[in-house]
Amino acid sequence: KQEVTQIPAALSVPEGENLVLNCSFTDSAIYNLQWFRQDPGKGLTSLLLIQSSQREQTSGRLNASLDKSSGRSTLYIAASQPGDSATYLCAVSAGNQFYFGTGTSLTVIP
Amino acid sequence: NAGVMQNPRHLVRRRGQEARLRCSPMKGHSHVYWYRQLPEEGLKFMVYLQKENIIDESGMPKERFSAEFPKEGPSILRIQQVVRGDSAAYFCASSPSQGLELYGYTFGSGTRLTVV
Repeated sequence: KQEVTQIPAALSVPEGENLVLNCSFTDSAIYNLQWFRQDPGKGLTSLLLIQSSQREQTSGRLNASLDKSSGRSTLYIAASQPGDSATYLCAVSAGNQFYFGTGTSLTVIP
Repeated sequence: NAGVMQNPRHLVRRRGQEARLRCSPMKGHSHVYWYRQLPEEGLKFMVYLQKENIIDESGMPKERFSAEFPKEGPSILRIQQVVRGDSAAYFCASSPSQGLELYGYTFGSGTRLTVV
């Protein structure tokens, strides 16, 4: 059964810092991996989708990598801003569903 | 070009009542997925539907919960005789045909169910 773990569970950084969020999964037989952002009481916003044949994806200040063989992904956020404060969720797809981690709660301090 | 629409955004039910949650997928999307997020827990898969078909309901509780995606209209997640433990955020996601392999999900804003 696929299990997804995200480390750290919470992270607090000063504005302007670069940071890395980690995601690991137990079964490498995945279709793709998707990073989401969730603001308190809100829905999920897709940030980046990496297909299983890809190694990374970039969007603005965000860069996500995927190493399927080791079951790891990282989300790199450059020059963090207070507006980046949210919970970041990693999800891997297999079969008919996505398996989600419990997220990293990020606070960027002005 | 509306995204995935869920309503209501908030729903309060007394124990024993029925809850009906609605989801309209993005235009052009034919696959609908329901997930539940319990307080302090991650999102858990409940059910995957295509028009008029339940494809995978392996995450659905065996009793009181049902889902449908009729030929016309939104997908409905129905919870009968709600209990306090059903209080959660329920999210709907959709994807086009070819689904997860290529496109991943687009999520709605969720329905927050509170059972009192």
